[in-house]
Amino acid sequence: GQNIDQPTEMTATEGAIVQINCTYQTSGFNGLFWYQQHAGEAPTFLSYNVLDGLEEKGRFSSFLSRSKGYSYLLLKELQMKDSASYLCAVNDYKLSFGAGTTVTVRA
Amino acid sequence: KAGVTQTPRYLIKTRGQQVTLSCSPISGHRSVSWYQQTPGQGLQFLFEYFSETQRNKGNFPGRFSGRQFSNSRSEMNVSTLELGDSALYLCASSLEAGSSYEQYFGPGTRLTVT
Repeated sequence: GQNIDQPTEMTATEGAIVQINCTYQTSGFNGLFWYQQHAGEAPTFLSYNVLDGLEEKGRFSSFLSRSKGYSYLLLKELQMKDSASYLCAVNDYKLSFGAGTTVTVRA
Repeated sequence: KAGVTQTPRYLIKTRGQQVTLSCSPISGHRSVSWYQQTPGQGLQFLFEYFSETQRNKGNFPGRFSGRQFSNSRSEMNVSTLELGDSALYLCASSLEAGSSYEQYFGPGTRLTVT
């Protein structure tokens, strides 16, 4: 079976840093995606990690440790527009999504 | 380049009816995947189509079916609707088959079953 865990909610202040953790136990693993979904909108791609380590893309970074079944998404210099749900998804020949972490950025 | 389009955007149906949802992928994308999103279960994979063939299927009953046409457009059908089928149905397209490619999601069809 698939078990993908993320915190339900996180709150942070504008300009701060937030780290969203994702742990997984899945029958197969070919990589891990992070998607952003604003309320009432479709998910949009943020990152894809296949190998262990850190991938940086501007204000967003994603880390993967396959041996620990663990990933995190790091959001730096938070902006109000970063208020959204963040979904981690494990690629085991199909995408299995976590329930999502709702991040609220306060002024 | 136009994004993924889904029609209709909103739909209200009665229990026992059937419904067909449509998805047009980004031009050049050959793979279409369907997902169901509900507050309780999150995003769940329904199936993936590539070259008019179903490549992968999630854990949904046989009432959920789909197909893909030669132009890569896809439809999904839900027969004998149940109240629990009320959800946002998202389709996503990608260049090639398999889940290793970035998927581009459409805006979704909001289905309400009464």
